[in-house]
Amino acid sequence: NAGVMQNPRHLVRRRGQEARLRCSPMKGHSHVYWYRQLPEEGLKFMVYLQKENIIDESGMPKERFSAEFPKEGPSILRIQQVVRGDSAAYFCASSPRTGGEQYFGPGTRLTVT
Amino acid sequence: DAKTTQPPSMDCAEGRAANLPCNHSTISGNEYVYWYRQIHSQGPQYIIHGLKNNETNEMASLIITEDRKSSTLILPHATLRDTAVYYCIVRVANMNNNAGNMLTFGGGTRLMVKP
Repeated sequence: NAGVMQNPRHLVRRRGQEARLRCSPMKGHSHVYWYRQLPEEGLKFMVYLQKENIIDESGMPKERFSAEFPKEGPSILRIQQVVRGDSAAYFCASSPRTGGEQYFGPGTRLTVT
Repeated sequence: DAKTTQPPSMDCAEGRAANLPCNHSTISGNEYVYWYRQIHSQGPQYIIHGLKNNETNEMASLIITEDRKSSTLILPHATLRDTAVYYCIVRVANMNNNAGNMLTFGGGTRLMVKP
């Protein structure tokens, strides 16, 4: 049973470009969470999605950030017009049910130059 | 979710038991105690969780005090690969409540296992 998969593992973008981060949950998991870890800081919750629905986006920055989890395919975290402060590790986690334990992927390390 | 307090760092000799404490004095009756660890910038790894009874799995044991205000994660025979930051997290796990299901990570305890 494959774990949570994220790609790309490393992403370099210039200021002003768009970044798309993908997350494929574990088989049978329909709950996806995104977290961000800034350099030398702890993980911070961003958004919680179920298939085709955003359940909780209280941790998402108000502008430039969006997330989706379509009926088919991976969950996508999209960052428009990236700035240097967006450089961080972005982790995705999946869960089989509401309130269940979360299993994390290896993360995508975004570097904005 | 209730806040947790952990020592910032601990050392442990290889092969010995590592006992990582966590205080959660404001925990509510419907909140679970979860433990995760993060090894050198990898994705956090789920270890164990419990409500009020002690729990054991292949990775660790979780001891929760009777008043539930503190807990201890025990790695029975620490190895060098157990060197990581360990996070104690208190979380409501209400199956009927979609909101507030995120994990809130604090500073954790940086465990260094030494040969």
